[in-house]
Amino acid sequence: AQSVTQPDIHITVSEGASLELRCNYSYGATPYLFWYVQSPGQGLQLLLKYFSGDTLVQGIKGFEAEFKRSQSSFNLRKPSVHWSDAAEYFCAVGAYSGAGSYQLTFGKGTKLSVIP
Amino acid sequence: GAGVSQSPSNKVTEKGKDVELRCDPISGHTALYWYRQRLGQGLEFLIYFQGNSAPDKSGLPSDRFSAERTGESVSTLTIQRTQQEDSAVYLCASSPSGTSGMSTYEQYFGPGTRLTVT
Repeated sequence: AQSVTQPDIHITVSEGASLELRCNYSYGATPYLFWYVQSPGQGLQLLLKYFSGDTLVQGIKGFEAEFKRSQSSFNLRKPSVHWSDAAEYFCAVGAYSGAGSYQLTFGKGTKLSVIP
Repeated sequence: GAGVSQSPSNKVTEKGKDVELRCDPISGHTALYWYRQRLGQGLEFLIYFQGNSAPDKSGLPSDRFSAERTGESVSTLTIQRTQQEDSAVYLCASSPSGTSGMSTYEQYFGPGTRLTVT
């Protein structure tokens, strides 16, 4: 079965600093990979996705992620963090469950705090 | 256009009572998912609906949990005889296609229902 590990529970960065959130996955085939962001009291919003092709994918709000098959990683990056980026970030891998559904398996999330 | 909506946004109930949570998916989305998010945890898959096919109930934690969906419209998640461990945020998501293809995995989430069992 597939799994996702986000090693960092909580990260604090200063506004304007660069950001990298780590994600490692376990899946037997070529993965479909996603990053979602959840602001307080809100549902999850899709930041970006990787299906195939170019391993560096661009998303909304200035985020990007790089798929590295050799490291089973899909780390999220942003060159300059804004205070509004403070939220919880979830990495997910998509897989066919075999029971008729196409499921996303989520990591436990990384909470990002931004210091003004 | 309108996104996924859920109601109520908050629900406080006493242990042992039944609760019903509602999800309105994006119009035209054939697939619908329910997830549970406990404090400090990731999302836990509960159930999946795709059109008129039999739902995938493999994630339901006990027989106290059930869900219904009529066609490609509203879904309700029912928890009977609620327990304190049922306290969580329940998230609903819909997807434009549930049969195959990459769009199947693009899920659009509602704001969730925060359930507190006292």
